[in-house]
Amino acid sequence: KQEVTQIPAALSVPEGENLVLNCSFTDSAIYNLQWFRQDPGKGLTSLLLIQSSQREQTSGRLNASLDKSSGRSTLYIAASQPGDSATYLCAVSYAGGTSYGKLTFGQGTILTVHP
Amino acid sequence: DVKVTQSSRYLVKRTGEKVFLECVQDMDHENMFWYRQDPGLGLRLIYFSYDVKMKEKGDIPEGYSVSREKKERFSLILESASTNQTSMYLCASSLSWDSSTDTQYFGPGTRLTVL
Repeated sequence: KQEVTQIPAALSVPEGENLVLNCSFTDSAIYNLQWFRQDPGKGLTSLLLIQSSQREQTSGRLNASLDKSSGRSTLYIAASQPGDSATYLCAVSYAGGTSYGKLTFGQGTILTVHP
Repeated sequence: DVKVTQSSRYLVKRTGEKVFLECVQDMDHENMFWYRQDPGLGLRLIYFSYDVKMKEKGDIPEGYSVSREKKERFSLILESASTNQTSMYLCASSLSWDSSTDTQYFGPGTRLTVL
């Protein structure tokens, strides 16, 4: 059974810092890996999707990398801002059998960026 | 833009009541999903549907049922609500299940409290 782990569980940084969030997964047979953002009491918003054949994806100040063989992904946030404060969730889409695009989520990293 | 809407943001019900949570998407997506999110447990898949009238159990289907009579609408039903079903319920949809570029789009969530 696929398991997804995110480290750290919580992170508090001053504004302007560059930071890295980590995600690991146990089964490398994935379609893709996705990073989501969730604001308190809200739904999830997709940030980046990395296909299994790709190494990284970038969007603005965000860069996500994927090392499928080692079962790891990192989300790099450059020049963090208070508006980046949220919970960041990593999810993998399993490629085996009749998965129908189901996602397995990590527990998330709660990020606080203080002014 | 894809829009996924959920019928209620907040809902309070009594133990034993039958509860309906409705989800509607406006982008002709094939797949729809119901999750619950609890502190310390993350997002867990309850049920999903890959076509009209088709449904598959997720990881925690006990105590729940679903209905998908029309492509755009996916309902989650709590047959007899219990206090351990107090949770945040999130609905999601995705275009198809066989694409490595497909992501899930989430609704805003329904915070259900069962007294």
